[in-house]
Amino acid sequence: EVQLVESGGGLVQPGGSLRLSCVGSGFTFSDHHMDWVRQAPGKGLEWVGRIRNRPRSYTTEYAASVKGRFTVSRDDSENSVYLQMNSLKTEDTAVYYCSRSPPGGILDYWGQGSPVTVSS
Amino acid sequence: DIQMTQSPSTLSASIGDRVTITCRASQSISDSLAWFQQKPGKAPKLLIYKASSLESGVPSRFSGSGSGTDFTLTISSLQPDDFATYYCQQYKVYSFTFGPGTKVDIK
Repeated sequence: EVQLVESGGGLVQPGGSLRLSCVGSGFTFSDHHMDWVRQAPGKGLEWVGRIRNRPRSYTTEYAASVKGRFTVSRDDSENSVYLQMNSLKTEDTAVYYCSRSPPGGILDYWGQGSPVTVSS
Repeated sequence: DIQMTQSPSTLSASIGDRVTITCRASQSISDSLAWFQQKPGKAPKLLIYKASSLESGVPSRFSGSGSGTDFTLTISSLQPDDFATYYCQQYKVYSFTFGPGTKVDIK
């Protein structure tokens, strides 16, 4: 069974940093691209970023709203993907989901989400 | 960025109804379109990819169609488990974008 489990969310002050983790199991983690998607309270879904797999040189893509502040990384030996969030703003408050993507682009499995609140 | 729109934003329907949700992209995305179902407090669930391909395990009452800029999600006979919010998403061009969602509730 495919599982994705996020952790690391919590309350942080504006301007602060937080690192989210996502551990995958039940599939060959290294074969897949991995994405982060967020959802602000009561709002829709917003794609945050992607890290591709090793054959694609672990290259990354980001939404304009987070580029330069957020970094996606991965450790295939730990079946893990990370989202380093710096210079956080109140508008970054959201539930953050990790998702796997087989080459081809679709987001076919999602974690349960990790809530992040940016507030003073 | 490619803008995605959906209509209607809310849809009231009864069990057994045929339901159609429309999604439009601001430029052609070929068939790089997915549909997701989300229930309150839960992660989105993939229903349809490549505009019309049914994800494994998803009931056959769900179907998708379209290409280019105009797409539809159809539920042939609405069931109690289908009351949820539905999102379309383009994965043709970075950054990926979602539609604003269509909430299907009980009439």
